[in-house]
Amino acid sequence: SQQGEEDPQALSIQEGENATMNCSYKTSINNLQWYRQNSGRGLVHLILIRSNEREKHSGRLRVTLDTSKKSSSLLITASRAADTASYFCATDASGNTGKLIFGQGTTLQVKP
Amino acid sequence: KAGVTQTPRYLIKTRGQQVTLSCSPISGHRSVSWYQQTPGQGLQFLFEYFSETQRNKGNFPGRFSGRQFSNSRSEMNVSTLELGDSALYLCASSWGDRGLWEPQHFGDGTRLSIL
Repeated sequence: SQQGEEDPQALSIQEGENATMNCSYKTSINNLQWYRQNSGRGLVHLILIRSNEREKHSGRLRVTLDTSKKSSSLLITASRAADTASYFCATDASGNTGKLIFGQGTTLQVKP
Repeated sequence: KAGVTQTPRYLIKTRGQQVTLSCSPISGHRSVSWYQQTPGQGLQFLFEYFSETQRNKGNFPGRFSGRQFSNSRSEMNVSTLELGDSALYLCASSWGDRGLWEPQHFGDGTRLSIL
């Protein structure tokens, strides 16, 4: 079963705009990760935020985590056409190693 | 450093057959996990191997099995294939000794189609 639910399911924006994706999860976590998947390819790790962190930055990416609401958001600033992909949040299952539980993902289209 | 390599990239089988997929992890990584990705169910965890031992298992029937060799390469086997097994099968590797504090490195997957 899916741990996370992502919102929106699909997002279409113009190049240069910001894109925000949200993820909600059900159980307590140790950390939450965001991954990107280009069409027909594997997943690429973007960022990991620990349960005791509230915000984390990596380049044009900003992730927030609210454990009281069991939710996270991924913000991509100044989007580019190359950011077109599906984005997934993933949580650990109570510390089980190697077992990530993924959300359904947000499909982002950035129009040039 | 070479990434995670999965072979073959594409595979077409018929119902009732069996299939073996291969995954070579990043050099030095001892943990290999397998995931099934379908449009309806999304990404679902199959199992994880660490140092040749299955360490975690998802909720899939016994037709799905795997193993890991001493060089950390892993294979996944699906027997008595069903139409619903059509999916992208992804393999991910990591050092394996840091829990989920470390990112998973994914291969590009094997696209399995069942006719």
